[in-house]
Formats: sequence, C-alpha cells, structure tokens
Amino acid sequence: NAGVTQTPKFQVLKTGQSMTLQCAQDMNHNSMYWYRQDPGMGLRLIYYSASEGTTDKGEVPNGYNVSRLNKREFSLRLESAAPSQTSVYFCASNGYEQYFGPGTRLTVT
Amino acid sequence: DAKTTQPNSMESNEEEPVHLPCNHSTISGTDYIHWYRQLPSQGPEYVIHGLTSNVNNRMASLAIAEDRKSSTLILHRATLRDAAVYYCILSYSGAGSYQLTFGKGTKLSVIP
Repeated sequence: NAGVTQTPKFQVLKTGQSMTLQCAQDMNHNSMYWYRQDPGMGLRLIYYSASEGTTDKGEVPNGYNVSRLNKREFSLRLESAAPSQTSVYFCASNGYEQYFGPGTRLTVT
Repeated sequence: DAKTTQPNSMESNEEEPVHLPCNHSTISGTDYIHWYRQLPSQGPEYVIHGLTSNVNNRMASLAIAEDRKSSTLILHRATLRDAAVYYCILSYSGAGSYQLTFGKGTKLSVIP
C-alpha cells in the first residue's frame, strides 16, 4: 500500500496563476480532507469530502475549490494564487484515525 | 469549537517516560480526544484517541480525567524518534467525517 500520495511535492507560482494539487489514497477510505499548515502553526482544514460525490467547506475555504473525482482521488485547485496561500498543503483520508500524505510545499511570489 | 490548551514545549531524557498534558475544559459529551504527532518535514501521524476510558496501544497510553476536562498522553520510554510536535485535538463527527482542529501543539525534545 502506498497510503496517501500527493503531487507535486514542491511548487512555485506567480500571483494570479492557477494550479491543482492532486491527492490519492489506496486504502478504500470514504472520507478525505485537505489541510494547510503555515509556518509555526497547526493545520487548518480547507475542505473535506465525507464520501464520493460530496464536498464541504472547512475552516479556511476561500480561494480554493475541490473535486472528489472518485473514491480514491481528491484534488484541490487554486484558481488565482495569492501570496497568502504560500503554505504546506496536506491531504488526509479516513475518519477518526486520519492518514496524512507527505505534503506539497507551495510558494506564491 | 471546543479548544485545547497544551504547553508550547517540553523536554525529556531518552528512555524516560514522558507525560504530555492537555486541558480541554469546554469539551462536550460527544467529543473524542485525539493525539497526533508531526515529525519534522512530515505529515501528522495518528497516535491514539479515546472518549472516556483510558486507552493503550503500541505507541502510547492516553489517560483521561474522570470529568474529561483534561487528558495526558504517556510515552513509556522516549526515544530520539519521538522528538516531534504533539497535538491534542477534540473532534466531532458530522456527515460521516471527523473534523480535526489542530492547535499549535507541544514540541517535545528528547535529550540523548
């Protein structure tokens, strides 16, 4: 099992550019989550998906969109990147015991 | 959302037990207490969770106060690999998912 995988590992964007962060899990979990972690801070929930075909906003959804493509994949899109979105992004799956991916380090200049 | 309070940092000697405290005085009856840890440059890792009774697993023990307003994560013998940020989190379940709210956690340093 690969667990939770994320691509890319690193990305640098200019302000206004768009990109999609990809996440996949091979553990047959229903729930998936996107978090961001700013330096020295804990993680904050951006969006989550309780099951295939459903998505809901978390604590900090502004500036992001998500797609639950199928049970395995949950993508996060930045339509117009801003410097305030510079962060490390983590994807997770499952419920009470969440499994996290290795993260995507995004810098917006 | 219910909040937790943890010390910013703690130190422990290698091979000694470590007790990481957490206060959650506004916990509701349906909130679970979770502990995660995050090693440097990695995603968080689940450690343990509980509702009312003390819990043990291969990684740690969780001691929950009778009034549930505080809990303690116990690492029985700290190793260098246990140096990480430990998060105490209260979660609630909604629509089939568990929403975790991370605070800043406790940074545990392990001294050889």
